[in-house]
Amino acid sequence: KQEVTQIPAALSVPEGENLVLNCSFTDSAIYNLQWFRQDPGKGLTSLLLIQSSQREQTSGRLNASLDKSSGRSTLYIAASQPGDSATYLCAVKRTGANSKLTFGKGITLSVRP
Amino acid sequence: EAGVAQSPRYKIIEKRQSVAFWCNPISGHATLYWYQQILGQGPKLLIQFQNNGVVDDSQLPKDRFSAERLKGVDSTLKIQPAKLEDSAVYLCASSFGRNTEAFFGQGTRLTVV
Repeated sequence: KQEVTQIPAALSVPEGENLVLNCSFTDSAIYNLQWFRQDPGKGLTSLLLIQSSQREQTSGRLNASLDKSSGRSTLYIAASQPGDSATYLCAVKRTGANSKLTFGKGITLSVRP
Repeated sequence: EAGVAQSPRYKIIEKRQSVAFWCNPISGHATLYWYQQILGQGPKLLIQFQNNGVVDDSQLPKDRFSAERLKGVDSTLKIQPAKLEDSAVYLCASSFGRNTEAFFGQGTRLTVV
């Protein structure tokens, strides 16, 4: 059974800091990994998708890396802004035709002005 | 491109009542998911459709929950009768294929009193 862990549960940083959010998973037989952002009371917004054959993906100030062998992914946010305050969730899809996305509990990020 | 549409956004019902949620996926997306997100937790898959066929409903409480996807497009999720522990956000997501990027709707926040 795939388990996804995100630690810490909450993080508070001053504006402008570069930060790293961690995600670990127990089963390395994954097809892809996806990072999402969730604002309070809202749905999930897809940030980055990394296929199992890839090592990283970049979008603007965001960079996500994947190390399948160690069961880890990181989301790097450069020059954090108060608008980055949200909950960040990672989800992995195991190999297999009908495999589902398994989510971590998320990291709630607060960026202080 | 229109995103995943869900309605209603909010619903408050008494326990033992019935409720239904509606989802319209992104046009052309064959895979549709319903997730349940309890406060402070990551989303948990309830049911996954491929076109109008069910490919995973292993975590759907079938004694009270049902879902259908007619004609492989829109989907409805029903709870009958509701329990207090069903209070959660119900998220619908869709993807072009089984292993491609998933896109989520805004969710329906259900409160059972």
